[in-house]
Amino acid sequence: DSGVTQTPKHLITATGQRVTLRCSPRSGDLSVYWYQQSLDQGLQFLIQYYNGEERAKGNILERFSAQQFPDLHSELNLSSLELGDSALYFCASSVEPFLTGELFFGEGSRLTVL
Amino acid sequence: SQQGEEDPQALSIQEGENATMNCSYKTSINNLQWYRQNSGRGLVHLILIRSNEREKHSGRLRVTLDTSKKSSSLLITASRAADTASYFCATDALGYGGSQGNLIFGKGTKLSVKP
Repeated sequence: DSGVTQTPKHLITATGQRVTLRCSPRSGDLSVYWYQQSLDQGLQFLIQYYNGEERAKGNILERFSAQQFPDLHSELNLSSLELGDSALYFCASSVEPFLTGELFFGEGSRLTVL
Repeated sequence: SQQGEEDPQALSIQEGENATMNCSYKTSINNLQWYRQNSGRGLVHLILIRSNEREKHSGRLRVTLDTSKKSSSLLITASRAADTASYFCATDALGYGGSQGNLIFGKGTKLSVKP
């Protein structure tokens, strides 16, 4: 158990809809990262937050947004969903803003868009 | 696009044999990490090697890093059926993609260890 909690584990929705994925980082970790894993693109970095502030941005679509709350949990909002958004979405956490050590990954949220 | 590229894409061996996976990357790095992922599960960190290190061991794992060739290898000795998983290398890719503070993963090597 990494200590990172993601909900929901599975989500099935329709095109055009909006969903919110939630992540609670390990106790004491201030950095939260979001990754998308799909068969064709592999693991793609989406966005990082550190202590409530956006720290780094990757290949995140404009239809997607994220935030980190004062209690350090984070949410990833996906809107106007398309079939291609079907993927595993991972949250990871670390103590520091820079990658001096390992990331701790949650078990992921599997999104299926029909 | 990917920073790291693992080779081979898939590897099938018998229990007790050694498994070697390779990773190549494109830009300068601070460190390189290896992660393991069981099917459909979260990634688990295995080992981190810094750019000024050449070799590192952890249990049955041995990682090497050659920064001149921008490559790394992961050796799993005396493999077990429980080692069956996908293995990913990840780098912090200094200056890649214009952002820092994120790991960039390769597409992984799928290892199958037959009992």
